[in-house]
Amino acid sequence: DSGVTQTPKHLITATGQRVTLRCSPRSGDLSVYWYQQSLDQGLQFLIQYYNGEERAKGNILERFSAQQFPDLHSELNLSSLELGDSALYFCASFHPNYGYTFGSGTRLTVV
Amino acid sequence: GEDVEQSLFLSVREGDSSVINCTYTDSSSTYLYWYKQEPGAGLQLLTYIFSNMDMKQDQRLTVLLNKKDKHLSLRIADTQTGDSAIYFCAESRGWGGATNKLIFGTGTLLAVQP
Repeated sequence: DSGVTQTPKHLITATGQRVTLRCSPRSGDLSVYWYQQSLDQGLQFLIQYYNGEERAKGNILERFSAQQFPDLHSELNLSSLELGDSALYFCASFHPNYGYTFGSGTRLTVV
Repeated sequence: GEDVEQSLFLSVREGDSSVINCTYTDSSSTYLYWYKQEPGAGLQLLTYIFSNMDMKQDQRLTVLLNKKDKHLSLRIADTQTGDSAIYFCAESRGWGGATNKLIFGTGTLLAVQP
């Protein structure tokens, strides 16, 4: 157990739907990063939050959004889902002593 | 720009050494990392190296950094079947904090033959 918790582990949904992925960082970690891992794109950085504020944006589609709550957990919202959004979604948190720690991911399948 | 490249596949025999290579383009890279991903699992940090170092050893793992050529390698000594996984090279401009993110390579699938 890395200390970073992602739920759900698996998600199957239909095209056009909306889903929410959840990430709880390691206790005390203020930064949360979201990544998408797909066969054709590899591991792509999506977005980063630090202590509730958005700090960096990567290759995140406009249909996707995220937020970090006061208790530091984060949610990634994916809407108008397409087949190509099927991927593993990882979150990571950062601690100065331990570096970046990844969760075990949410596998999203869009059918 | 930020780009990290790796070869896609490496096959070795159990007990041999494995060397996985990575090249990167960002001259501002300060930290370079190796992550391991086993099937169905998340990303496990194996080791990292600061850009002012050229070598780091940690048990069976040796990391070599050639900053001039922007080349990073991971050597696994006495490779075991449990080392079979995808290995990702990654870089960041800084150590966490508010704006530093990891940029990953394409990953190298290491297959260890018994």
